[in-house]
Amino acid sequence: EDQVTQSPEALRLQEGESSSLNCSYTVSGLRGLFWYRQDPGKGPEFLFTLYSAGEEKEKERLKATLTKKESFLHITAPKPEDSATYLCAVQRYTGNQFYFGTGTSLTVIP
Amino acid sequence: EPEVTQTPSHQVTQMGQEVILRCVPISNHLYFYWYRQILGQKVEFLVSFYNNEISEKSEIFDDQFSVERPDGSNFTLKIRSTKLEDSAMYFCASSPDRGAYEQYFGPGTRLTVT
Repeated sequence: EDQVTQSPEALRLQEGESSSLNCSYTVSGLRGLFWYRQDPGKGPEFLFTLYSAGEEKEKERLKATLTKKESFLHITAPKPEDSATYLCAVQRYTGNQFYFGTGTSLTVIP
Repeated sequence: EPEVTQTPSHQVTQMGQEVILRCVPISNHLYFYWYRQILGQKVEFLVSFYNNEISEKSEIFDDQFSVERPDGSNFTLKIRSTKLEDSAMYFCASSPDRGAYEQYFGPGTRLTVT
């Protein structure tokens, strides 16, 4: 059974305190892994797509990496505006639906 | 920048009533999706739509649900007889094509069934 597990469920950081969010997955035939940001009451906002193990993508203070079993979202020197829920989703080769994890709720304290 | 739009932002309905949720996907996108998110839970796939037909659906998408693209821009989700457990945020998404392409989500419609 395909599964996407994100940890931790919640993370509180001081402004400037770097950390990493984890997304572990088991899926038969990974086509792509996607990171989204979701603000309260809003739709998920696309951040990154990763296709193969070893791939890395960066955007401002965020960097996403992928191995054969998990992905990390590294946040360097976060700011309060980075506070949000970060969602991981996987897509299989068979079909194009996304399987989402439950997300990591990040709070960055000034 | 093009974006997916959804209306209404909030819909309150009584149990047993029919509701139609509306979405305008990004104009040159070919694949359309509906997801739902029950409060505090994960985003769940409902259905994908391509070339005017359903390409994939989940177990959640039973006979109470239907989708339609009535014209060149709108994409709708109909729930025929709402139940209390249908209360959730419903997100529409679109993507340029099949494959490992990112899906762009709308702001959602909060459906409250009383």
